[in-house]
Amino acid sequence: SYELIQPPSVSVSPGQTASITCSGDKLGDKYASWYQQKPGQSPVVVIYQDTKRPSGIPERFSGSNSGNTATLTISGTQAMDEADFYCQAWASSTAVFGGGTKLTVL
Amino acid sequence: EVQLVESGGGLVQPGGSLRLSCAASEITFSFYWMTWVRQAPGKGLEWVANIKQDGGEKYYVDSVKGRFTISRDNAKNLLYLQMNSLRAEDTAVYYCARLASAVWYFDLWGRGTLVTVSS
Repeated sequence: SYELIQPPSVSVSPGQTASITCSGDKLGDKYASWYQQKPGQSPVVVIYQDTKRPSGIPERFSGSNSGNTATLTISGTQAMDEADFYCQAWASSTAVFGGGTKLTVL
Repeated sequence: EVQLVESGGGLVQPGGSLRLSCAASEITFSFYWMTWVRQAPGKGLEWVANIKQDGGEKYYVDSVKGRFTISRDNAKNLLYLQMNSLRAEDTAVYYCARLASAVWYFDLWGRGTLVTVSS
């Protein structure tokens, strides 16, 4: 079955750039989405179709996807961005989530 | 208000059954693929099942095939998940979510309902 691999944790200082990776076999041939989940809340999409931001998501969130790796980048990270982030892709009509990355803003 | 509201969770013994419901409000429910996603305590998200707009296509994660059934009632704007032969590892918060048309991401989520499988 298809797997997506994320680092368990990423730390960043306020105002700096955070990058969260998601690896999967030929992931660049699929669309990747990214979800942010804060404690006690439901997930919220921050990036879809590799690079697109839904309305209401700040411009500091951006995405890329090529080869075997998709990347979520948060520029000028703020304390409010601290959360768990999950990548997601589709494989044969089934959805696959990465294991999640806890972003800590130190 | 546009929302999805899950219900039906609770404590059930191993081997037991439970039916979850998800009520959709202020959306044209019949236009969308719908999904169940679960999250075990302290763990990550796991996709469980999808259902097409007319119920004609359904897909499941391998771990629930033959035990769980996803269904919908478009006249009542309701999504269901019938869960049989429940196991301790099915313990999780179960979210229903809407698939955004043509772009295939989960654009609307409910708040979830907790299912606990324990004796």
